[in-house]
Amino acid sequence: KQEVTQIPAALSVPEGENLVLNCSFTDSAIYNLQWFRQDPGKGLTSLLLIQSSQREQTSGRLNASLDKSSGRSTLYIAASQPGDSATYLCATSGGNDMRFGAGTRLTVKP
Amino acid sequence: SQTIHQWPATLVQPVGSPLSLECTVEGTSNPNLYWYRQAAGRGLQLLFYSVGIGQISSEVPQNLSASRPQDRQFILSSKKLLLSDSGFYLCAWSVPGGRAHAYEQYFGPGTRLTVT
Repeated sequence: KQEVTQIPAALSVPEGENLVLNCSFTDSAIYNLQWFRQDPGKGLTSLLLIQSSQREQTSGRLNASLDKSSGRSTLYIAASQPGDSATYLCATSGGNDMRFGAGTRLTVKP
Repeated sequence: SQTIHQWPATLVQPVGSPLSLECTVEGTSNPNLYWYRQAAGRGLQLLFYSVGIGQISSEVPQNLSASRPQDRQFILSSKKLLLSDSGFYLCAWSVPGGRAHAYEQYFGPGTRLTVT
């Protein structure tokens, strides 16, 4: 049974810093890994999806990597802004299931 | 473009009352549809998914049921709510395909359910 873990649970950084969010998973037999953003009381916004055959995906200031063999993914945020403050979730898809981590709550201070 | 709607946005219901949450998708045909629950302090849990009209797969045995009466409509129901049913319910869709969870998922705005 897939388990997805996100560390740290919370992170506070000053504006302008580059930062990395971590996601680990126990079963490497996945179709893809997806990163989401969730603002308080809102639904999830898809940020990046990495197929199992890919190593990374980029969108603007975001870069996500995937290392299936080690069961790890990272989300790199460059030049963080206060508007990046949110909870970031990673999720793996495999078999007939999608498993989410508990999320990392990011606060970017002006 | 595709959009996904959920209603109501918030709901307060007493224990033992029935429940009906609705999700509709516009701008696509035969999407895969999903219901998730996010309980306070916990991650998202997949409840049901559907790859077509009348086709429902349940991931977790519980007090809830789902139905898909139309191609782009997904309904989450309960006959008698429990306190433990409180949470944030999210509907999502993905492009159609044989593997229900193999594609990027797009989420609706959610319904906040409080059972009192």
